[in-house]
Amino acid sequence: EVQVVESGGGLVQPGGSLRLSCAASGFTVSSKYMSWVRQAPGKGLEWVSIIFRDGSRYYAESVKGRFTISRDDSQNTLYLQMNSLRTEDMSVYYCAREEGNGWFDLWGQGTLVTVSS
Amino acid sequence: DIVMTQSPDSLAVSLGERATINCKSSQSILYSSNNKNYLAWYQQKPGQPPKLLIYWASTRESGVPDRFSGSGSATDFTLTITSLQAEDVAVYYCQQYYTTARTFGQGTKVEIK
Repeated sequence: EVQVVESGGGLVQPGGSLRLSCAASGFTVSSKYMSWVRQAPGKGLEWVSIIFRDGSRYYAESVKGRFTISRDDSQNTLYLQMNSLRTEDMSVYYCAREEGNGWFDLWGQGTLVTVSS
Repeated sequence: DIVMTQSPDSLAVSLGERATINCKSSQSILYSSNNKNYLAWYQQKPGQPPKLLIYWASTRESGVPDRFSGSGSATDFTLTITSLQAEDVAVYYCQQYYTTARTFGQGTKVEIK
């Protein structure tokens, strides 16, 4: 079955760190563009970061310098290392596969990150 | 970044009637070399991840009912749901992929009148 499953969310204090994982099955992460998209409680969707097939990475301004996207081809897994977390980073984080030129055709169920003291 | 603005923020439509959602981009997302509009539409139901409905502004994803259609070009786009069904109650988002920094509209909530 083609799917992505996120994990790693939880409660963290402001200034803390967390690493999210996205395990893929049914396709190869390295053959696709992969993104993280987040959604604050009751709010809309916000694109966070992307890693292209060639390994190049881009970030939303709101997370640049604090978050790092990466992948482990041997594990077929995407990651998001989140440092210096702020209360405004509190969201459900979705792993999303891009098909073609940039639409997201496959989403995980998301993992909730709560930033609170 | 390209700003995507949807209207209205919410709408209530009677079962079987038409729902129309608009999406406006702050700059053209029509790529001249291939004459394609870099716009997608998604549906999100409570407690679920978004689901892709349409890409290239008007191409329906496989399995999406044909009551969903997309139109528009350059900066102005529309998602139309003809004959609204109860299962269409959801929040709908547009998204541009013209730039590396993908951006979404703020969402439009569709309810039954």
